[in-house]
Amino acid sequence: GNSVTQMEGPVTLSEEAFLTINCTYTATGYPSLFWYVQYPGEGLQLLLKATKADDKGSNKGFEATYRKETTSFHLEKGSVQVSDSAVYFCALSDWVNDYKLSFGAGTTVTVRA
Amino acid sequence: DAGVTQSPTHLIKTRGQHVTLRCSPISGHKSVSWYQQVLGQGPQFIFQYYEKEERGRGNFPDRFSARQFPNYSSELNVNALLLGDSALYLCASSLQPQETQYFGPGTRLLVL
Repeated sequence: GNSVTQMEGPVTLSEEAFLTINCTYTATGYPSLFWYVQYPGEGLQLLLKATKADDKGSNKGFEATYRKETTSFHLEKGSVQVSDSAVYFCALSDWVNDYKLSFGAGTTVTVRA
Repeated sequence: DAGVTQSPTHLIKTRGQHVTLRCSPISGHKSVSWYQQVLGQGPQFIFQYYEKEERGRGNFPDRFSARQFPNYSSELNVNALLLGDSALYLCASSLQPQETQYFGPGTRLLVL
C-alpha cells in the first residue's frame, strides 16, 4: 500500500533561515504529491502539489520537486517568517487507491523572531 | 467563493453516544472525503463519496458510516462512541475523486 515518511520534528528556526522538510514515499501507482499546511487550531490548507515526475510545485516561497528516482518530494523555503510556524504534512494519492490521500505524520515548524 | 464548511466546530459527547457531523463542499464539487486526525498524527482516510455513492472506505469499524445528499453535502455518523474517537474530523471536497482535495476547518470531537 501507499505510505509517506516525513522528517521528524519539531523543527525550530530563526527568521530568514532556510527550511527543508524531507518527504519520501512508497506507492503502487503513479501518485500525485502534495504538501498541506495546518496552522494552530485550523484545518488543512493546500500549500503546493505536483502531479508527475520532475514537476516543481511552488507557492508562497515554498517549493518541492517530484523526484521519481529517489521517491522524494522535499519541501524547501529560502527565508522563513514567523508566520510560517505551522505543521506541514506531505501526502500522496493515486488511482490504485481510489485517490484517497495518504499522509505523513506531520512536521511541526516553529520560527522564532 | 465559500470554501468547505463543516458543522459543528466543536462537540463534546460521552461514551456510548451517537454523533453526526456535517459537511458542505465547495460549490460545483461532487466528491467528498472524510478524514480523522488524532492529536499529533496525520489525517487518516475514513470515507470517500462521489455522486452520492461510496467510492472508498478506510480501515474503520462499522460504527462509522456516512452518506452524501443530492446537493453533494455529506454527513458522517459515529455510533457507540469510544474515548479513542476523540479527534479532529476533516471533510475535503474535490471536483471529482482524482482532482485536488480542499479541506474544511474540521469538527473537533471530544468523547468523555
